Amino acid sequence: DSGVTQTPKHLITATGQRVTLRCSPRSGDLSVYWYQQSLDQGLQFLIQYYNGEERAKGNILERFSAQQFPDLHSELNLSSLELGDSALYFCASSPGRPEDEQFFGPGTRLTVL
Amino acid sequence: QKEVEQDPGPLSVPEGAIVSLNCTYSNSAFQYFMWYRQYSRKGPELLMYTYSSGNKEDGRFTAQVDKSSKYISLFIRDSQPSDSATYLCAMTSGTYKYIFGTGTRLKVLA
Repeated sequence: DSGVTQTPKHLITATGQRVTLRCSPRSGDLSVYWYQQSLDQGLQFLIQYYNGEERAKGNILERFSAQQFPDLHSELNLSSLELGDSALYFCASSPGRPEDEQFFGPGTRLTVL
Repeated sequence: QKEVEQDPGPLSVPEGAIVSLNCTYSNSAFQYFMWYRQYSRKGPELLMYTYSSGNKEDGRFTAQVDKSSKYISLFIRDSQPSDSATYLCAMTSGTYKYIFGTGTRLKVLA
């Protein structure tokens, strides 16, 4: 158990809908990362927050957004969902420096029908 | 061309074999190199972490980085069926943006 929690574990929804994925980092970690993992693309970095502020952005679509709250939990919002958004979404946390080890949560499996 | 290339496998080996997993990369700015193990339906877990070039050993695992060739390797000695998983390489230049390989599926046969 990494200490990172993600909810829900599974999510099934329809195209055009909006969902919110939640992540609670390990106790004491200030940095939260979001990743998308699909069969053909592997693990893709989406976005990273440090102590409530966005610090790095990867291949995140404009339909996706995220935030980190004062209690350090983070949410990833996915809107206008498409079939291609079906994937595993992972959250990872680290103490704060870019080179710090990241600890991954169990992931949320999103299925868009 | 992807920034990080990794053979997806699957790679099947008998128990006790030495396993060699590799990644190549194109960005010479990468300084930090990691290997993660991911079991089916689980999150990745960090196995090895190397800064710059050189070797690092931890138990049955050895990580090698050759920056001149832009090539990193993970060796697993005395492989066990419990090592069957997907192995992901990852790297960063020191920013928060990490680039992962697509992963190599490994099967160790008892």
